[in-house]
Amino acid sequence: EDQVTQSPEALRLQEGESSSLNCSYTVSGLRGLFWYRQDPGKGPEFLFTLYSAGEEKEKERLKATLTKKESFLHITAPKPEDSATYLCAVRANAGNMLTFGGGTRLMVKP
Amino acid sequence: DGGITQSPKYLFRKEGQNVTLSCEQNLNHDAMYWYRQDPGQGLRLIYYSQIVNDFQKGDIAEGYSVSREKKESFPLTVTSAQKNPTAFYLCASSTQTSSYEQYFGPGTRLTVT
Repeated sequence: EDQVTQSPEALRLQEGESSSLNCSYTVSGLRGLFWYRQDPGKGPEFLFTLYSAGEEKEKERLKATLTKKESFLHITAPKPEDSATYLCAVRANAGNMLTFGGGTRLMVKP
Repeated sequence: DGGITQSPKYLFRKEGQNVTLSCEQNLNHDAMYWYRQDPGQGLRLIYYSQIVNDFQKGDIAEGYSVSREKKESFPLTVTSAQKNPTAFYLCASSTQTSSYEQYFGPGTRLTVT
């Protein structure tokens, strides 16, 4: 059974304090790892897809990296508007379905 | 603008009543999905459809039903058999080729009392 675990569950940062969010996964044949941002009361917003170990993708203050067992979402010099829940999901084998982790709630204080 | 719409944003029902949540997409995506999200938790798959007139159960299909009569539409009915229906419901769609990333609608918050 595919499993995705995100840590920490919640993270409080001061504005400008860089940190990383972790997504550990166990799947039978990774076909893609996805990062989403979700604001309270809204649908998740797609951020990145990673396919193979060593791959990296960046968007503004966010950088996602992938190894064979986990992915990191690095947040450099975060701002209060980066506060949100960040969700990680994996696609395994040939199916379309994604398995989601429980999310990390990020709070950035000014 | 291409996207996914869900209506209504908030829905209130009495226990024992069936209720249907709407989901429409104009992204020309073949696949559509319904998820449930409970406070502080990730998304759990209820049903998905890869093609018109075909759909499959997800991890938590009991007490729910769907239809897929048109490519653009994938309504979800929460029946009275669903024991704990109060939740945030999210609809998504994706292509069946390339990257498979799913795009989400704004969600419907259902409260059953």
